[in-house]
Amino acid sequence: KNEVEQSPQNLTAQEGEFITINCSYSVGISALHWLQQHPGGGIVSLFMLSSGKKKHGRLIATINIQEKHSSLHITASHPRDSAVYICAVKTSYDKVIFGPGTSLSVIP
Amino acid sequence: KAGVTQTPRYLIKTRGQQVTLSCSPISGHRSVSWYQQTPGQGLQFLFEYFSETQRNKGNFPGRFSGRQFSNSRSEMNVSTLELGDSALYLCASSSGLYSSEQYFGPGTRLTVT
Repeated sequence: KNEVEQSPQNLTAQEGEFITINCSYSVGISALHWLQQHPGGGIVSLFMLSSGKKKHGRLIATINIQEKHSSLHITASHPRDSAVYICAVKTSYDKVIFGPGTSLSVIP
Repeated sequence: KAGVTQTPRYLIKTRGQQVTLSCSPISGHRSVSWYQQTPGQGLQFLFEYFSETQRNKGNFPGRFSGRQFSNSRSEMNVSTLELGDSALYLCASSSGLYSSEQYFGPGTRLTVT
């Protein structure tokens, strides 16, 4: 079993839909990051969380430390949101582990 | 402020050769991390440097090494290249250690033939 898992693996949505991507982990962590990677490889760090909830524009990220679970929500999705979304954790013993990514396609 | 820059952007090497990749962080950032991304393994952590000291290392063989200079610029070196080393190598900088916001460079795409 992978230490960091994401669901779904692939997601297709209609423009305007509310989207949720989930990340679950099985290790103790000091921080969790949500990353966005567009075709061509460029990676943007969306959020860094250690507790609670953060919001930036149409993006919301939450983390539940007790349940070892984080979610990334996209409200009013747009085709430009099409990308791979990656969850990454830094464990309590200083190891960095990435999830496999969720490929999102938003159709106009 | 200029972003994270990586050089070269593309590189083709032959099996058995060695390669050095360079990363210049955002001005004022003291932490640089390196990552390898392949279609089969996804993103994997290579190293983390902070103030010229390696603070963390991933599960890669000793052929992979790195260093950070006093101006925070970092290099990574791969010796005795193997076909499986073909990947996108990304670096990211932050003001602190990994538990801070990270800013990624565009990556260096290495092809080993």
